[in-house]
Amino acid sequence: QKEVEQDPGPLSVPEGAIVSLNCTYSNSAFQYFMWYRQYSRKGPELLMYTYSSGNKEDGRFTAQVDKSSKYISLFIRDSQPSDSATYLCAMTDTGRRALTFGSGTRLQVQP
Amino acid sequence: GAVVSQHPSRVICKSGTSVKIECRSLDFQATTMFWYRQFPKQSLMLMATSNEGSKATYEQGVEKDKFLINHASLTLSTLTVTSAHPEDSSFYICSARDRETSETQYFGPGTRLLVL
Repeated sequence: QKEVEQDPGPLSVPEGAIVSLNCTYSNSAFQYFMWYRQYSRKGPELLMYTYSSGNKEDGRFTAQVDKSSKYISLFIRDSQPSDSATYLCAMTDTGRRALTFGSGTRLQVQP
Repeated sequence: GAVVSQHPSRVICKSGTSVKIECRSLDFQATTMFWYRQFPKQSLMLMATSNEGSKATYEQGVEKDKFLINHASLTLSTLTVTSAHPEDSSFYICSARDRETSETQYFGPGTRLLVL
């Protein structure tokens, strides 16, 4: 079993839809949770960064962390064709600084 | 946001040659940099962790004599692929951990290596 599970998709939605992306994990030591967006042939871009449980909102993006369920989510409101990319969840504990990544979910927003 | 650059962005080389990839944090100091490898439609695979002024820590299965890492300063780390072979062709991405906001990593744009 992988440490971080993420549905690879592809997930196809119409423009304007609310998108929900999710990851589950098994390591209860993870404390820091991130979402990255990666366009084809580019490096990942940090979207959201959350410490421990709770919600964080930034513009059209909302990140949620439920440590009791070992489940994290990224919501995208009013999705745009420019949001079409691969979204990677990543997490780390307090000691080991390297990130553990999910496999990435490919999102396609249809105009 | 913090910016990490990589150079070159793309390189094509002959089998047997060595290739050096640079990773720079442009507007912050990075005590730790990470090197990843990514195959098409797959997630990032951590190769090694590079700490400024000390030897890199390699992940299991990564040959340290083949992938030489040097982290000479707080803003520069280099990855040298020695005696490259076609199976080394891949997308190599570095990331840098911001010294101030310790858990956040920022990624470079990646280097596409093609070994003929």
